[in-house]
Amino acid sequence: GDSVTQMEGPVTLSEEAFLTINCTYTATGYPSLFWYVQYPGEGLQLLLKATKADDKGSNKGFEATYRKETTSFHLEKGSVQVSDSAVYFCALSEGSGNTPLVFGKGTRLSVIA
Amino acid sequence: KAGVTQTPRYLIKTRGQQVTLSCSPISGHRSVSWYQQTPGQGLQFLFEYFSETQRNKGNFPGRFSGRQFSNSRSEMNVSTLELGDSALYLCASSIDGVYNSPLHFGNGTRLTVT
Repeated sequence: GDSVTQMEGPVTLSEEAFLTINCTYTATGYPSLFWYVQYPGEGLQLLLKATKADDKGSNKGFEATYRKETTSFHLEKGSVQVSDSAVYFCALSEGSGNTPLVFGKGTRLSVIA
Repeated sequence: KAGVTQTPRYLIKTRGQQVTLSCSPISGHRSVSWYQQTPGQGLQFLFEYFSETQRNKGNFPGRFSGRQFSNSRSEMNVSTLELGDSALYLCASSIDGVYNSPLHFGNGTRLTVT
């Protein structure tokens, strides 16, 4: 079945450092790919998405590019802030119909001042 | 527009009891999904309802059930609680549940089974 693999956390960075969180996927078709973020005590929020190969999703300074050849969707940000401290989830959805999202296990990011 | 509302926020139950969790989706959203979140397993899909019909179901035992009402509000029920059911239960709504429609999550119900 479909699956998502994220880099293990936690990840601790200093403010203004560069962030990369790796995500690779296994899917039989052409999935849509998502990054969700969960701040402490809250539910998940959609951060960005990409629906086809070579698409780049971006939001709040975060970016991720859908790479079909490497089945990857790595999340990047050039300069992290303390307020970016959260858990980040990579997810995929089959490219048709209404199949549910499949989530990675999440990567906890802590940014220190 | 109000977000997804889940009640109660916290629950403490004893093994063998049953529990009902409630979710009110964003107005106009007809699809409601439920997920169980635990530190070990991450987010696992329970089921999805659309227009009062269960459309998708995850790999959970029959003790886990749900329903959706005509106003799109949804409930999930867990009977004969086990210690392993302790988790954060998240509800998410979307306009139609189609594969690339973003999910909007509530803040969850934290269930502790003792």
